[in-house]
Amino acid sequence: QVQLQESGPGLVKPSETLSLSCTVSGYSISSGYYWGWIRQPPGKGLEWIGSIYHSGSTYYNPSLKSRVTISVDTSKNQFSLKLSSVTAADTAVYYCARSSSCDYWGQGTLVTVSS
Amino acid sequence: EIVLTQSPGTLSLSPGERATLSCRASQSVTSNYLAWYQQKPGQAPRLLIYGASSRATGIPDRFSGSGSGTDFTLTISRLEPEDFAVYYCQQYGSSPRTFGQGTKVEIK
Repeated sequence: QVQLQESGPGLVKPSETLSLSCTVSGYSISSGYYWGWIRQPPGKGLEWIGSIYHSGSTYYNPSLKSRVTISVDTSKNQFSLKLSSVTAADTAVYYCARSSSCDYWGQGTLVTVSS
Repeated sequence: EIVLTQSPGTLSLSPGERATLSCRASQSVTSNYLAWYQQKPGQAPRLLIYGASSRATGIPDRFSGSGSGTDFTLTISRLEPEDFAVYYCQQYGSSPRTFGQGTKVEIK
């Protein structure tokens, strides 16, 4: 059973960097698939942030590209998201997911940007 | 960037009725890489359909997807009480991946 679990601070100050990790169990990241991040502001729809292939190739949403870094640590079976220079507009539930068609999702973690 | 437009915004139906949800793309979706998700309050989205018409593992056969190119449809043949939720389409054939704005299926 593939499971994903997001972790990281629930509160980030404006202008700082949001950092989240996604730990995968039941499947080895190094075996394949894209691994991605999606976010959902409160009461709104879904926004794709970016994806990383198991080899390390990355694809980012152009609207966030200048602020986003996604990396993978196959030794920990984790992948991570960093979003710099955050503002209140970055307040959202952040999800990690497997594959371009997102067949497995984490439960999501709410990140609030506030001083 | 491919823009996905879902209609209607809200669908008010009774249990047992048929639901038809539309997703229209601003340009052709590569290889019909179009997925549908169901999301209930407080939960992560759940994959229903991928590749426009293939049901994901464990999804009941009352859910079906159809379409190609720029026009796609999700059909729920007979609504069960647990089907009332928000549904999103997503294209994953080109980058950036994009989602539709969602259709809420509510109890009439």
